[in-house]
Amino acid sequence: DAGVIQSPRHEVTEMGQEVTLRCKPISGHDYLFWYRQTMMRGLELLIYFNNNVPIDDSGMPEDRFSAKMPNASFSTLKIQPSEPRDSAVYFCASSPGFIGTALSSGGYTFGSGTRLTVV
Amino acid sequence: AQSVTQLDSQVPVFEEAPVELRCNYSSSVSVYLFWYVQYPNQGLQLLLKYLSGSTLVKGINGFEAEFNKSQTSFHLRKPSVHISDTAEYFCAVSDFAGGGNKLTFGTGTQLKVEL
Repeated sequence: DAGVIQSPRHEVTEMGQEVTLRCKPISGHDYLFWYRQTMMRGLELLIYFNNNVPIDDSGMPEDRFSAKMPNASFSTLKIQPSEPRDSAVYFCASSPGFIGTALSSGGYTFGSGTRLTVV
Repeated sequence: AQSVTQLDSQVPVFEEAPVELRCNYSSSVSVYLFWYVQYPNQGLQLLLKYLSGSTLVKGINGFEAEFNKSQTSFHLRKPSVHISDTAEYFCAVSDFAGGGNKLTFGTGTQLKVEL
């Protein structure tokens, strides 16, 4: 398997523009997670899906952020309008089951991340 | 709510020396514990995990960690480090108090191995 695939790897955009980050989870994984990594706050869970349904979006910072999972093989994280404080590395991760079960004893598999810079 | 504290933001160490990266967690219920490693410009990779059973767990690249329930700790150790171990290390915890499937990460420890 190719692993969790994220695109683009790098994104530079101007303040106020819309940004869309993409993620393809590992085939057969029922859970998909979006994390944001910054120097100040470390790794923060933004939202996660189970079987394409958003389960917990309490980490989404504000209404400018939205995430969708239209099917089992694709998810997007959108920021509209973007602001300089959104600059961070955004990671997508997937898992085949509930953590700790026989399916998912290894936790999550992470993508390589998208480095977003908003100028 | 679960939380993780990594007490050291940076740990410098000479090559072939031993190292310990500290991790303490807070949870009111049973937990699963993980260590992940992140090399520059890459995603996180699983290093090792504790789910149940033996409190001493061994992972990849010669790393091991010990689960200590009374001290709520899960420190990572390696008896002899190499230059290639230079990376950022994250401790993570998962519990089910909230009924979810969340991994909560610590703020990370930057391990810098010097010659």
